[in-house]
Amino acid sequence: TQLLEQSPQFLSIQEGENLTVYCNSSSVFSSLQWYRQEPGEGPVLLVTVVTGGEVKKLKRLTFQFGDARKDSSLHITAAQPGDTGLYLCAGASGGSNYKLTFGKGTLLTVNP
Amino acid sequence: GAGVSQSPRYKVAKRGQDVALRCDPISGHVSLFWYQQALGQGPEFLTYFQNEAQLDKSGLPSDRFFAERPEGSVSTLKIQRTQQEDSAVYLCASSPGQSSYGYTFGSGTRLTVV
Repeated sequence: TQLLEQSPQFLSIQEGENLTVYCNSSSVFSSLQWYRQEPGEGPVLLVTVVTGGEVKKLKRLTFQFGDARKDSSLHITAAQPGDTGLYLCAGASGGSNYKLTFGKGTLLTVNP
Repeated sequence: GAGVSQSPRYKVAKRGQDVALRCDPISGHVSLFWYQQALGQGPEFLTYFQNEAQLDKSGLPSDRFFAERPEGSVSTLKIQRTQQEDSAVYLCASSPGQSSYGYTFGSGTRLTVV
């Protein structure tokens, strides 16, 4: 069974601070996706990374895929209250690349 | 449609009752997925359709769970004889291709079994 461990589970910070959340596994994934989910809504895709060592930027968000394709990180610069939400990582493996294995998520609260 | 639409948004069922949850995917999307998200957890895969064919149902928890997509568009997830442990948010997603790229999730149906 492939597992994705996310840390920290909860994070509460002040507006303007920087933060990093992590997604780790002992398994290799062919691709990894990051989603943000708000209460009462479905997850919304932020980014997909596919190459080991890949770095992608989306405005103030920076995503990195580990060289061995077993882990990933999400760094947010100058967090804003609108960044509040549940951040989920999800991996797909080559054999069943249509199916995503999700972590439990990091619940981020950015206080004004 | 512009997005994935799920109905109802909320469903309260008495233990033992049958329920049916509907998903309208984005028009033209080949792939459709059902996931279950328990409180405080990430979504867990239930089943996958490519057009009308159910190619993977390995995540369905028991034979009380049944999904169909008869015309390759709208899908229904049916749960028979609901139990309290079935309480969760049921998420539907669609994608244009045959992989996990380009998933779009619906807002989900929150099922509460009392």
